[in-house]
Amino acid sequence: KTQVEQSPQSLVVRQGENCVLQCNYSVTPDNHLRWFKQDTGKGLVSLTVLVDQKDKTSNGRYSATLDKDAKHSTLHITATLLDDTATYICVVGDRGSALGRLHFGAGTQLIVIP
Amino acid sequence: DMKVTQMPRYLIKRMGENVLLECGQDMSHETMYWYRQDPGLGLQLIYISYDVDSNSEGDIPKGYRVSRKKREHFSLILDSAKTNQTSVYFCASSLKGGNTEVFFGKGTRLTVV
Repeated sequence: KTQVEQSPQSLVVRQGENCVLQCNYSVTPDNHLRWFKQDTGKGLVSLTVLVDQKDKTSNGRYSATLDKDAKHSTLHITATLLDDTATYICVVGDRGSALGRLHFGAGTQLIVIP
Repeated sequence: DMKVTQMPRYLIKRMGENVLLECGQDMSHETMYWYRQDPGLGLQLIYISYDVDSNSEGDIPKGYRVSRKKREHFSLILDSAKTNQTSVYFCASSLKGGNTEVFFGKGTRLTVV
C-alpha cells in the first residue's frame, strides 16, 4: 500500500509562473520529510528537510511546509525556470536514525515551457 | 567533493547471467543503501548496510545480495538475472544518525533480456 501520495502526477507551467506540489502521507511515525529534485537520468538531490510538527523552510526559489497533524507537505517553486524541469520526490523518514526507513513518493513530473 | 559514484551507468544482460553493480562514496559515510526505481513507483529499498559486513534486507531483497568489505564500497549482486529485475538502480549513502542528508548516485540502468 502506497504510504506517500504526491499530486499532481505531472504539471506543465510557463517559465516565470509559480507552482505548488503536494504530498500526503500515512507513514507513522513521521520523523522528518524531505523533498528531492531528480533531473532526467540523474540521481536525487535534496532540496530541503522539514522536521517540526508545523514546519516551514525556504531555499532560494523553493519553499516548503509541513503539517504533521494533517500529514501533509507542500513544495512551492517561485518564478520557475526552464532548469526546474524535473521530477520532484517527497520522502518521509519514520525515524531519526539510519535504523528507520525512508518512504518515497512516486514523484511529480514538472515541465517548464518557454 | 561529496560524491556517490555508480558503475556502470548502463548495462544490458541476458536472463540467467550474473550482474555486479558497484557503488563508491568519498564521504566516509557509515550507512549505504541500494534502491530500485520503476516507473510510477517510489524508490524501493533492496538492502541497507550500516557499516562493513553489517548488512540488512530491505523491503525487496529477493533475488539480490550485497557485499560491503570496505566502508567506501557497496556492491549489489544479481545471481542469475531475471527480466523483472530490469530497472534503474540507485545507491545512496548517509551518516548514521538523525535526519541526516542522504546522497544519491546517478543510477545504473539495467536491462535484462
